[in-house]
Amino acid sequence: GESVGLHLPTLSVQEGDNSIINCAYSNSASDYFIWYKQESGKGPQFIIDIRSNMDKRQGQRVTVLLNKTVKHLSLQIAATQPGDSAVYFCAEGGKAAGNKLTFGGGTRVLVKP
Amino acid sequence: KAGVTQTPRYLIKTRGQQVTLSCSPISGHRSVSWYQQTPGQGLQFLFEYFSETQRNKGNFPGRFSGRQFSNSRSEMNVSTLELGDSALYLCASSWGRTDQETQYFGPGTRLLVL
Repeated sequence: GESVGLHLPTLSVQEGDNSIINCAYSNSASDYFIWYKQESGKGPQFIIDIRSNMDKRQGQRVTVLLNKTVKHLSLQIAATQPGDSAVYFCAEGGKAAGNKLTFGGGTRVLVKP
Repeated sequence: KAGVTQTPRYLIKTRGQQVTLSCSPISGHRSVSWYQQTPGQGLQFLFEYFSETQRNKGNFPGRFSGRQFSNSRSEMNVSTLELGDSALYLCASSWGRTDQETQYFGPGTRLLVL
């Protein structure tokens, strides 16, 4: 994901619904991808990661999907809760980048009660 | 296990001054990376240290520098501060053994340059 000038896209979700956050990454050589959640006043918090030899990975209430053909990553959050309100970032890295992560611009998720 | 800690949490400086920020990684982690977060540019990689050596570097001017100590704690320094250096500075730690490792972030140091 390229880091772009930031008017953050916002996803407004009703509590209990599923959320889908999308991310386009930039480097076809990237082979490691992470989703982070950042709440106001805090550092990014790890949610889930996926390596390029996988298409899908599931965690607790979250699923990450990777489509290498179109360089697209998505994060699905099941049964969205008020505590899920935050900014979500995808990051790409791996062998081509050493230990450097390149972050996308982020998506703000607002959960309506 | 304690997480990544950063000090200070908040800092106000004036243009031309210099500043040093500190990061203590998760116990056992030997890689420390630094990132700058601003509303305009998002999260950008500054540099990474592993075993007291800079292993990777982003596209920032030489005013930004860092170092790592034998206990893996790291500091970053910004000299001749500019207004545009106002940002949240985040450090992240990982084991550093492979290129596909989760980086765990600290809470950040918010720097305001006046």
